[in-house]
Order: sequence, then structure tokens, then C-alpha cells
Amino acid sequence: EDQVTQSPEALRLQEGESSSLNCSYTVSGLRGLFWYRQDPGKGPEFLFTLYSAGEEKEKERLKATLTKKESFLHITAPKPEDSATYLCAVQAGGANNLFFGTGTRLTVIP
Amino acid sequence: ETGVTQTPRHLVMGMTNKKSLKCEQHLGHNAMYWYKQSAKKPLELMFVYNFKEQTENNSVPSRFSPECPNSSHLFLHLHTLQPEDSALYLCASSQLTGGGVEQYFGPGTRLTVT
Repeated sequence: EDQVTQSPEALRLQEGESSSLNCSYTVSGLRGLFWYRQDPGKGPEFLFTLYSAGEEKEKERLKATLTKKESFLHITAPKPEDSATYLCAVQAGGANNLFFGTGTRLTVIP
Repeated sequence: ETGVTQTPRHLVMGMTNKKSLKCEQHLGHNAMYWYKQSAKKPLELMFVYNFKEQTENNSVPSRFSPECPNSSHLFLHLHTLQPEDSALYLCASSQLTGGGVEQYFGPGTRLTVT
């Protein structure tokens, strides 16, 4: 059965304190791994797509990496505006739908 | 309007009411989706429409009835809901390709069933 597990469930960082969020997955035939950001009361905002092990993508203070079993979202020198829930999702097999993890709630303290 | 829009943003309804949620995508995509998001749970896929044809119904109770009149509009008709149906309902769209493809989400409708 396809499974996506995110850790930690919640993370509190001081402004400027770098860290990483983890997304481990068990799927058959990975077609893509996706990272989203979700602010309270809003829909998820697309950040990155990763397709194969070894791939990396960057956007401002965020960098996403992918291995055959997990993905990391590295946050470098975070700012309070980076506070949000970060969601990981996978697309596998012949389906077009996304299978989501429960997310990591990040709080960056000034 | 840009991206994916949803109306209403908030809805309170009684268990005997009938209401509809509306979604519109302005991205030229050919697939649309309904998700349910409850506290402490991952997003749950409800329905998938590819080129206006429903291709997936994830064992959703019949009190939820989707409608996709064209590739830009998606509705979710609600009737005789239960309190446990209270959640954030999200619409998404994507462009179908042969590989992995990201979905773009609307802001959601916060539904409360009393």
C-alpha cells in the first residue's frame, strides 16, 4: 500500500536557525514527489516537483532533495514568514491523483 | 481572476439543507479534483475528472455529488450531510501529461455542518 510519512509533526525554529523536514515514502512506480506550503485557512501552494533520486531544486531559502526512499526540504536561515504547514505528496503508478502526508507545521520565532 | 477560485469561502449548513460548492480554474487545465481536508488527517481525494469525465470516486458517500459541465468548472452538490462532514473542501486542477504533474489548489471552502 502506498504510504507517505512526514516528520517531525511540528517544528519550532529561531529566526536564522536552519533545519530540514523529512518525507519518507513507500510507493510503486514513483512518477513525482511534490512539496506544498499551506498557510492557515488557505489552499496548498505548489513549491517543487522532484522526479528521480539525486534531483535537487531550490527556491529562495528552500531546497528540496530526493532519494529512493525519502525527500528532504531544507530551510536555510528561515524567517518568520516561512511559518506554515509544509505538505509532501507523491504521484505513482498510472493514477494522476496525489497521495499526501499529514504535513509538518513549521513555526519560525523572531 | 487567476489560478483556481472557489465559492463560497465559508458555508454553514444544517443536516437537512442542500447546497453546492463551486470551483473554477483559469489555467487551461484538463483535469480537476475535489479533496477533503480534516484536522490531523492528510488530504483525502474525493473525485477526479479528466476531460470532463469522472475517472475516480474514492468511496465517497452519495450525499456528495460532483458535476463537471466543462473543463473549467467543477461543482460539489451537498445534501443531508452529517456533522463529521465538516472540513475544508479543496478543489485542484492539473494538466494531464504522461509523467508526474503538479496540481494547483484553490483557497478552499470551510464547511460547517450543524
